[in-house]
Amino acid sequence: NAGVTQTPKFRVLKTGQSMTLLCAQDMNHEYMYWYRQDPGMGLRLIHYSVGEGTTAKGEVPDGYNVSRLKKQNFLLGLESAAPSQTSVYFCATSTETGSLDEQYFGPGTRLTVT
Amino acid sequence: AQSVAQPEDQVNVAEGNPLTVKCTYSVSGNPYLFWYVQYPNRGLQFLLKYITGDNLVKGSYGFEAEFNKSQTSFHLKKPSALVSDSALYFCAVSGNRDDKIIFGKGTRLHILP
Repeated sequence: NAGVTQTPKFRVLKTGQSMTLLCAQDMNHEYMYWYRQDPGMGLRLIHYSVGEGTTAKGEVPDGYNVSRLKKQNFLLGLESAAPSQTSVYFCATSTETGSLDEQYFGPGTRLTVT
Repeated sequence: AQSVAQPEDQVNVAEGNPLTVKCTYSVSGNPYLFWYVQYPNRGLQFLLKYITGDNLVKGSYGFEAEFNKSQTSFHLKKPSALVSDSALYFCAVSGNRDDKIIFGKGTRLHILP
């Protein structure tokens, strides 16, 4: 089992460009999350999903969009990248008990916006 | 609103000594508490959690944490530190199933050989 995978691992964008980050899981988990990690800020939740076809805003949703068309995939989109979105992005999953259960994290995507 | 604080940005411990990484929290109702570890260039890995029951929770790699309701704390401990324990440690809290988990800012643990 691959667990939680993220594509791509690294990306450099110019300001204004768009891109999509893909998170895929083979654990049949209901909940999926997108976080960003910045030095001294810990992890901040961008968007999350409680099941296929659902999405919800987290702590820092501005500038990002998400979709969960299939249970196993959770996509994070940046429509017009800004330097402030330079960060490491992590996807995570958890079971149907949501926030009561531990989360399983992907390896991360390092994004630089110039 | 729920919150979690890790008051130390960095903790240095000599190998073989006991270690403690501090965490305090604020949540309405019963807390669900977690510790995660992050090694360089990796995602977070779950260490242990407190949901209910015994205040002393044992987890992976010999770590344990003590839930203290009166002090609203959930400190991470290990009796004898290893150099390989050097990593970034995150405390997290949630209030119920549909609450978002809130992560602390992390504490960098350095184990000195």
